[in-house]
Amino acid sequence: SQTIHQWPATLVQPVGSPLSLECTVEGTSNPNLYWYRQAAGRGLQLLFYSVGIGQISSEVPQNLSASRPQDRQFILSSKKLLLSDSGFYLCAWSAPRTRFDRNPEAFFGQGTRLTVV
Amino acid sequence: AQTVTQSQPEMSVQEAETVTLSCTYDTSESDYYLFWYKQPPSRQMILVIRQEAYKQQNATENRFSVNFQKAAKSFSLKISDSQLGDAAMYFCAYRSVLTQGGSEKLVFGKGTKLTVNP
Repeated sequence: SQTIHQWPATLVQPVGSPLSLECTVEGTSNPNLYWYRQAAGRGLQLLFYSVGIGQISSEVPQNLSASRPQDRQFILSSKKLLLSDSGFYLCAWSAPRTRFDRNPEAFFGQGTRLTVV
Repeated sequence: AQTVTQSQPEMSVQEAETVTLSCTYDTSESDYYLFWYKQPPSRQMILVIRQEAYKQQNATENRFSVNFQKAAKSFSLKISDSQLGDAAMYFCAYRSVLTQGGSEKLVFGKGTKLTVNP
């Protein structure tokens, strides 16, 4: 069965410090991978998504970047954190797409609560 | 670009009663998927139900059912016999069927917080 791991669960970082959040998926190949941010317990904002190694699409211009160095690894980074980067970050995966794919749902990790102080 | 709107920031229901959460979306595509996700206080996102746009029959999963109105671009979630464990944030989401052109995005609404009163 497929599993998704996201860490750390909680992180407190000072303003101006770097950030690295990691997400890995097991039990599947070539998944689509996503990073979402949820601020103040509200909606999910799509930050980045990837359909393959080295293929990253950015949805929102911001202080963050993403990388996919391996097929099932997705990393969210920042060189210098801002107070506004605080929030709840969720990684997700979905099955690779085919024309007749009928398993389109995304599965989420446990999330990382980031507090920038 | 596709957008998903949930117009009810908060809803409440009495235990054992029925509640309906609203969702509308905007798209120019004819084939797509719609989802309802639940986020309990643990913040783990859980898939509740999904609907394929090409299917006219409304999806059901036990006490959860949807009212899919394709022409009106409406996708509401009905929870029957509400239980205390149903208390959570509920998110409506959209995904294209197309295999290119940014269709891998899963777009969410802002959510509805459901409170279940004993």
